[in-house]
Amino acid sequence: AQKVTQAQTEISVVEKEDVTLDCVYETRDTTYYLFWYKQPPSGELVFLIRRNSFDEQNEISGRYSWNFQKSTSSFNFTITASQVVDSAVYFCALSESTGNTPLVFGKGTRLSVIA
Amino acid sequence: DGGITQSPKYLFRKEGQNVTLSCEQNLNHDAMYWYRQDPGQGLRLIYYSQIVNDFQKGDIAEGYSVSREKKESFPLTVTSAQKNPTAFYLCASSSSGYNEQFFGPGTRLTVL
Repeated sequence: AQKVTQAQTEISVVEKEDVTLDCVYETRDTTYYLFWYKQPPSGELVFLIRRNSFDEQNEISGRYSWNFQKSTSSFNFTITASQVVDSAVYFCALSESTGNTPLVFGKGTRLSVIA
Repeated sequence: DGGITQSPKYLFRKEGQNVTLSCEQNLNHDAMYWYRQDPGQGLRLIYYSQIVNDFQKGDIAEGYSVSREKKESFPLTVTSAQKNPTAFYLCASSSSGYNEQFFGPGTRLTVL
């Protein structure tokens, strides 16, 4: 069965600090997708990134970066120079590689960025 | 604008009553999903539908029912059999390919 673990329940940082959110996953599939979503106080989940299991290249998008390591089954998310607007709950998720299958979510990490 | 709409945003129900949550999408996506979120918990799958007139149970389907008569619509009924229905309900949709799901704004259901 698939499982996603986000061990950090809550993290608080001061604005402009860097912060890394951890995600560890379990799956028996050889091909799969990994995702990160952001849930601001409004409640709607916002898609941030999708990563294919066969593509281990790290990705950077502005202040956001993702480190995918198959050897440790981890898909960590780093925010550089955090801002107050980054305060939200962040979810890591996993799915099969076939299309239109449900996501398995971790319990989320609540990030608070203090001015 | 393309997107997913859920209504109502807040819903109050008395114990013993059935209630239906609406989810509509105009993204032309084949698949739709219902997830439940409780405080401090991740999202858990209730039901999903990959095509019209077909749907599958998720991990916590007991006490819920769905229908998929149109591609755009996937309503969720919370029945009186659901023992603890107070939660935040999120609807999502996806197209075939990379399985990226887009979410609606959610419905917060409270049982009084």
